[in-house]
Amino acid sequence: EIVLTQSPGTLSLSPGERATLSCRASQSVSSSYLIWYQQKPGQAPRLLIYGASNRATGIPDRFSGSGSGTDFTLTISRLEPEDFAVYYCQQYDNLLWTFGQGTKVEIK
Amino acid sequence: QEQLVESGGGVVQPGRSLTLSCAASGFTFSRSGMHWVRQAPGRGLEWVAVIWYDGSDRYYADSVKGRFTISRDNSKNTLYLQMNSLRVEDTAAYFCARELWGYYGMDVWGPGTTVTVSS
Repeated sequence: EIVLTQSPGTLSLSPGERATLSCRASQSVSSSYLIWYQQKPGQAPRLLIYGASNRATGIPDRFSGSGSGTDFTLTISRLEPEDFAVYYCQQYDNLLWTFGQGTKVEIK
Repeated sequence: QEQLVESGGGVVQPGRSLTLSCAASGFTFSRSGMHWVRQAPGRGLEWVAVIWYDGSDRYYADSVKGRFTISRDNSKNTLYLQMNSLRVEDTAAYFCARELWGYYGMDVWGPGTTVTVSS
């Protein structure tokens, strides 16, 4: 089973700053199957990025994904107030879907 | 508008059973793979189970294998999760989600239903 480790656990930033979130896999992951979600308190997750770098419908272009193999990154170029949330990466391999433990982006 | 709505959550004693439902609307349910994902209080997301669009294949997380059964009724646009032999550690919000075809992600999510296993 592929384990995803997200870092940092918490990111404290101010609106307007750049956020860089890391997702590291215990084994190589197909880029096609690396996904990023955003979750706000009391809400369901929301699809942000699929295929490592493709923005989902309606996702602003300040969100971008990159990476390959075992190292993937979600970047938020300039944080807006609504971007403060928890972010999860997720992968698929061999009939198993796994999530990272999440990175909380909080207001500094 | 593509929508999923879960129901059936509640408080149940350890060892008992519960069935969750997920009603789909606004898209062709019978062409979509479907997942259940759960989230224990204050914790991260955990994938639970998946079922293929036609019900031909189903796969489970090790933590629920042999106790939970995912199923669907395409004539009713409804997904189910039969949960048997419930444990305290099954306490969570349960979300149904639509498979993002070709990418093995989840692109439409319900708001979730809460299951509490407690004596």
